[in-house]
Amino acid sequence: GAGVSQSPRYKVAKRGQDVALRCDPISGHVSLFWYQQALGQGPEFLTYFQNEAQLDKSGLPSDRFFAERPEGSVSTLKIQRTQQEDSAVYLCASSFQAGVLYEQYFGPGTRLTVT
Amino acid sequence: AQTVTQSQPEMSVQEAETVTLSCTYDTSESDYYLFWYKQPPSRQMILVIRQEAYKQQNATENRFSVNFQKAAKSFSLKISDSQLGDAAMYFCASDSGGSNYKLTFGKGTLLTVNP
Repeated sequence: GAGVSQSPRYKVAKRGQDVALRCDPISGHVSLFWYQQALGQGPEFLTYFQNEAQLDKSGLPSDRFFAERPEGSVSTLKIQRTQQEDSAVYLCASSFQAGVLYEQYFGPGTRLTVT
Repeated sequence: AQTVTQSQPEMSVQEAETVTLSCTYDTSESDYYLFWYKQPPSRQMILVIRQEAYKQQNATENRFSVNFQKAAKSFSLKISDSQLGDAAMYFCASDSGGSNYKLTFGKGTLLTVNP
C-alpha cells in the first residue's frame, strides 16, 4: 500500500511488560513523527526523526519510552515496564521532506491497552 | 509553548446544511501554519485544509473554508453542503515553527451529520 502502516493495530499488555510498536512510513519520506493520543484527547507530540537522526524527543513522557529509526525508514517505538497511564493510541506520521509545507500523512495508529 | 483550544466537544448538522467549528490558539511565533484535520472512526487522520499565518486570504478547499482572524487568534472551519461522509472528529492544529514542524492539536470536535 502507499500509505503509512502501523503494527500491531491493537496491543494488550500487562502492567510491567515491554512493548514495541512499529511504523512503516511512506517510501522515500524523510520525516517521521510519533504522537500519543489518549482517549478523548487530541494527539500529542512524542518524537521526531529526520532520516535516521532523532532531532526532537522532547515529548517522550519518561525514560521508559524509546524510539529508533536505524536505517531512516521503519521506526519502532518501545515502551518499557508499561504502566496503565500508557494506554493510548500511538500515531505515526511521515512527510516527504522536513518543513511545514510538506503534509504529514498519518497511519491508522496502534491502540495500546495496559491492564 | 503553543496551545490550541476547541471549545465545542460536539456539533451536529443536517445534511446539506452549513456548520462552523471553532478554534483558538496561542503562539509566540511570528509565522506559523494552522491546520484542520479530520479523523473518521477508522482513526486515520486526514488533512482537510491549512492556512499560513502571513496570508490574509482565507484558505478554501472545495466545501471547506476557514475564517482566519490573526489578531483574535481564531481559526474556524466552515463546512458547506454537509455530507454524511463529513461525520468525524475534527482537530485544529498549529505547527511549532522552528525546525521540526511538530503539530500541536486541540482536543477535537465530534461532528455528527444527520440525514
